[in-house]
Amino acid sequence: GQSLEQPSEVTAVEGAIVQINCTYQTSGFYGLSWYQQHDGGAPTFLSYNALDGLEETGRFSSFLSRSDSYGYLLLQELQMKDSASYFCASPNQAGTALIFGKGTTLSVSS
Amino acid sequence: DTEVTQTPKHLVMGMTNKKSLKCEQHMGHRAMYWYKQKAKKPPELMFVYSYEKLSINESVPSRFSPECPNSSLLNLHLHALQPEDSALYLCASSQDFRYGGTGMDEQFFGPGTRLTVL
Repeated sequence: GQSLEQPSEVTAVEGAIVQINCTYQTSGFYGLSWYQQHDGGAPTFLSYNALDGLEETGRFSSFLSRSDSYGYLLLQELQMKDSASYFCASPNQAGTALIFGKGTTLSVSS
Repeated sequence: DTEVTQTPKHLVMGMTNKKSLKCEQHMGHRAMYWYKQKAKKPPELMFVYSYEKLSINESVPSRFSPECPNSSLLNLHLHALQPEDSALYLCASSQDFRYGGTGMDEQFFGPGTRLTVL
């Protein structure tokens, strides 16, 4: 089977830095994606790591370590609008569909 | 145009009704997806179309019937649904079908149809 584990909830204050971890167990690994979903909205793509290392896009960065089956999403200079659910996702063994983690609800307070 | 559109936004139907959800994208993507999402849960894959052909059916009950009339459109026909089918139905598209090729890194999601079955 295939599974991705991430914390269910994270809280932080505006301006802080938060890291959302994702550990995975897959047979046949292509890479790790991150999606953001606001309440009532659609998931939107944040990043995709196919190789080890850090990918940076503005305030958000994503990291992957294939040897540790582990990745994380790093959000810096948190803003209230970052309050949302964050999903890590990885393709299935055949590479034909995305499997999502259960999601992490991030609450940012002032 | 980097948008996936879905209609209707909300739908309330009885268990004996027949209705359809519609999805459209004009990004030239060759893969289109239907997901079901319950509150506080991740999206759950239902169907995948690749080059207008059904490639994956994740053991979805036959009361859900997908259709891909052309490369830009995806429909989901609903018939004899149950109250537990109430959920957010998301459509998504991606450039290609298989990871490992180019352009399969990102899926673009539509805003979803919130379905309530009475």
